[in-house]
Amino acid sequence: NAGVTQTPKFRILKIGQSMTLQCTQDMNHNYMYWYRQDPGMGLKLIYYSVGAGITDKGEVPNGYNVSRSTTEDFPLRLELAAPSQTSVYFCASSYFVDSPLHFGNGTRLTVT
Amino acid sequence: EDKVVQSPLSLVVHEGDTVTLNCSYEVTNFRSLLWYKQEKKAPTFLFMLTSSGIEKKSGRLSSILDKKELFSILNITATQTGDSAIYLCAVEASGNTPLVFGKGTRLSVIA
Repeated sequence: NAGVTQTPKFRILKIGQSMTLQCTQDMNHNYMYWYRQDPGMGLKLIYYSVGAGITDKGEVPNGYNVSRSTTEDFPLRLELAAPSQTSVYFCASSYFVDSPLHFGNGTRLTVT
Repeated sequence: EDKVVQSPLSLVVHEGDTVTLNCSYEVTNFRSLLWYKQEKKAPTFLFMLTSSGIEKKSGRLSSILDKKELFSILNITATQTGDSAIYLCAVEASGNTPLVFGKGTRLSVIA
């Protein structure tokens, strides 16, 4: 099992550009999450999904969109990148809502 | 290879007990160590530790870092059932590297 795979590992965007952060898991987990982590801060939940076709907002959803068309994939979309979105983004998954999270290795995004 | 090891993996205690959770790490260019509490939906941030010997405290929770021995402990005094959760430890290294997480300690507090 590869676990949770995120791509790309690093990306630099210009203000106003768009991009999709990819996340896929091969553990047949129902729950998937996107977090961002800013320097000196803990994880903040952006969006999460409890299963294919179902998504919900987390703590900081503004400026992002997600979709969950399959159990495996949970891409995160940034439509108009802003400097405030410079952060490290983690995707995670779990089988049950209270199961330990499996995290991807993160994507470091810089918006200039 | 950077790694974070938490122990024990699971723990069951009675209300009122005091617990100590352990986190040891091996990482190049250490920057900080973070503790999270994971309940129903997502982990919530507890502490960030960067300096040895300085205790961080929040209510009944406290944590301290030993950079010489490469470990941290999280103490919870007078435990309550609401403390039942998975406690995650993560280490941050300097440079373009993501957090490295431990597997977590599942704490169950029974009345």
